[in-house]
Amino acid sequence: DAKTTQPPSMDCAEGRAANLPCNHSTISGNEYVYWYRQIHSQGPQYIIHGLKNNETNEMASLIITEDRKSSTLILPHATLRDTAVYYCIVRVVNAGGTSYGKLTFGQGTILTVHP
Amino acid sequence: GAGVSQSPSNKVTEKGKDVELRCDPISGHTALYWYRQSLGQGLEFLIYFQGNSAPDKSGLPSDRFSAERTGGSVSTLTIQRTQQEDSAVYLCASSLTGGYGYTFGSGTRLTVV
Repeated sequence: DAKTTQPPSMDCAEGRAANLPCNHSTISGNEYVYWYRQIHSQGPQYIIHGLKNNETNEMASLIITEDRKSSTLILPHATLRDTAVYYCIVRVVNAGGTSYGKLTFGQGTILTVHP
Repeated sequence: GAGVSQSPSNKVTEKGKDVELRCDPISGHTALYWYRQSLGQGLEFLIYFQGNSAPDKSGLPSDRFSAERTGGSVSTLTIQRTQQEDSAVYLCASSLTGGYGYTFGSGTRLTVV
């Protein structure tokens, strides 16, 4: 799986949008971008994933650049409970939509949301 | 069940003892993964089960570590002759085969004294 690069930490004011960047310049055509987060003392939580189109769900939006070499996770209205480590991961998904093998977690970005 | 269940939630053991950690995945999930996370560190992959295929054991740190998955459901991670460096949170996750997200359990915090 391709390697990702994220800033080690970011701050955000409560109520503001948090924009978390991720570089994945060596991503392959069949690799998806996944985002997880880990709140202190809990297991990681799936947030969102995408291939090349922008995606949105109830938790966040994912913006992937046209060349797919980078992406941004957007939390539109950050709350104190969004303080966590955010992981960006790329992973192969086969043509049939199946995916096998482990997710490789890097160091992630520590997002701190301030009152 | 509704989520991935792990037991015990906390385990304190003496150095040299064997321990077993249990994971109950979400019903119907064919893939099951074990990770560990030492204090202040990232997630370290240990082992991966996918259906009836041979497990991917490439992350097991030594032959003191083993895992099995019975009947394609419950999994047990066994650590023999525990050492202090084995102290960590052991996390289990399961997923459907299909490129979607993992669901993690809350983990077992293992402390070797």
